[in-house]
Amino acid sequence: GQQVMQIPQYQHVQEGEDFTTYCNSSTTLSNIQWYKQRPGGHPVFLIQLVKSGEVKKQKRLTFQFGEAKKNSSLHITATQTTDVGTYFCAAYKVRKFYFGSGTKLNVKP
Amino acid sequence: KAGVTQTPRYLIKTRGQQVTLSCSPISGHRSVSWYQQTPGQGLQFLFEYFSETQRNKGNFPGRFSGRQFSNSRSEMNVSTLELGDSALYLCASSPGTTDDTQYFGPGTRLTVL
Repeated sequence: GQQVMQIPQYQHVQEGEDFTTYCNSSTTLSNIQWYKQRPGGHPVFLIQLVKSGEVKKQKRLTFQFGEAKKNSSLHITATQTTDVGTYFCAAYKVRKFYFGSGTKLNVKP
Repeated sequence: KAGVTQTPRYLIKTRGQQVTLSCSPISGHRSVSWYQQTPGQGLQFLFEYFSETQRNKGNFPGRFSGRQFSNSRSEMNVSTLELGDSALYLCASSPGTTDDTQYFGPGTRLTVL
């Protein structure tokens, strides 16, 4: 069954609008990682969250790990066309990584 | 450091054939994982090798196999290809700790006709 649920599947925004993708698990996670895959490319590591309630920022990107360590979110402020791609969360469980289905972000200039 | 490399980048095969894909990890990385990416199923874990031993395995049939060599390079083999095996096969390396960051290669695009 699906180990990690990610929503939404698609998001179309106007350049300058904000974007958020959510990742949820039914069980507690030891950590969660986020990856970005550009069209035609391969997943590239963005960040890892480990602590309960952790918040990390990378320029316009803000990553959060829930207090119960069962959910996480990635928020992009003021999207740019360079943000286009698919964003995946990945949870490590039972000695393997489970990737969310990804959120495909399209940004209209 | 050079990144993860995968060869070939593109492959076209017919049903029933077999295929071998190759992955060279980042220098110093001892863990190599393989993933299958399809539009319908997303990124699915195939298996992980560490120090020439399969450490973890996903839920794929036995037609999918792999191995790792002493220099950490890894190969993945798919026998008796089916149309549904058409996918992007991604290899990822990491230093070795089981929940390490995965550094992905560019992938091999396999098309089965």
